[in-house]
Amino acid sequence: TQLLEQSPQFLSIQEGENLTVYCNSSSVFSSLQWYRQEPGEGPVLLVTVVTGGEVKKLKRLTFQFGDARKDSSLHITAAQPGDTGLYLCATPDSGAGSYQLTFGKGTKLSVIP
Amino acid sequence: KAGVTQTPRYLIKTRGQQVTLSCSPISGHRSVSWYQQTPGQGLQFLFEYFSETQRNKGNFPGRFSGRQFSNSRSEMNVSTLELGDSALYLCASSGYGTDTQYFGPGTRLTVL
Repeated sequence: TQLLEQSPQFLSIQEGENLTVYCNSSSVFSSLQWYRQEPGEGPVLLVTVVTGGEVKKLKRLTFQFGDARKDSSLHITAAQPGDTGLYLCATPDSGAGSYQLTFGKGTKLSVIP
Repeated sequence: KAGVTQTPRYLIKTRGQQVTLSCSPISGHRSVSWYQQTPGQGLQFLFEYFSETQRNKGNFPGRFSGRQFSNSRSEMNVSTLELGDSALYLCASSGYGTDTQYFGPGTRLTVL
């Protein structure tokens, strides 16, 4: 099972600031997914990155996939209180025709108004 | 399209009891996966069912079991509950040919 390390573990910032969170592995990712989980809810998929060097934008969120496909980052511009939540990276293990996600432990983000 | 639903949302049990949690996937989804989420370990894969068959199982003791019905609804059972079983149990469903999983809101289990 692939191990995913996320950093930082906790992040507390003021509204309007920028931030970056990271997801790393010693192994190559087949693909990488980013989720956001709000309190009392299940994770919601934000984006999937597949190709090394890929950059995807979702409004104020920018996702990058490392060239070697061993790392990924999520950058949020001008954070808002609505961005508060747990950000999780995950990689699928589709071996043997089974869908199983391995998750990092997440970055807990608090955006203070 | 309705999302993944889980019942109950909250549950309090005592050590030694057993519990059954239910999950209804998105209509048309035949794959259902279960995850345990704790503050210390994060999200960990329990098992996955597809067309009533368990396809994959995570590293959990045999006290954790599940099943899937012909309508794709799934249940998971935990017997002889321990304090460490306190967690948020999440169910996710997937459509055919995709890695995208859609999660339910979870069942918060507290073992006293």
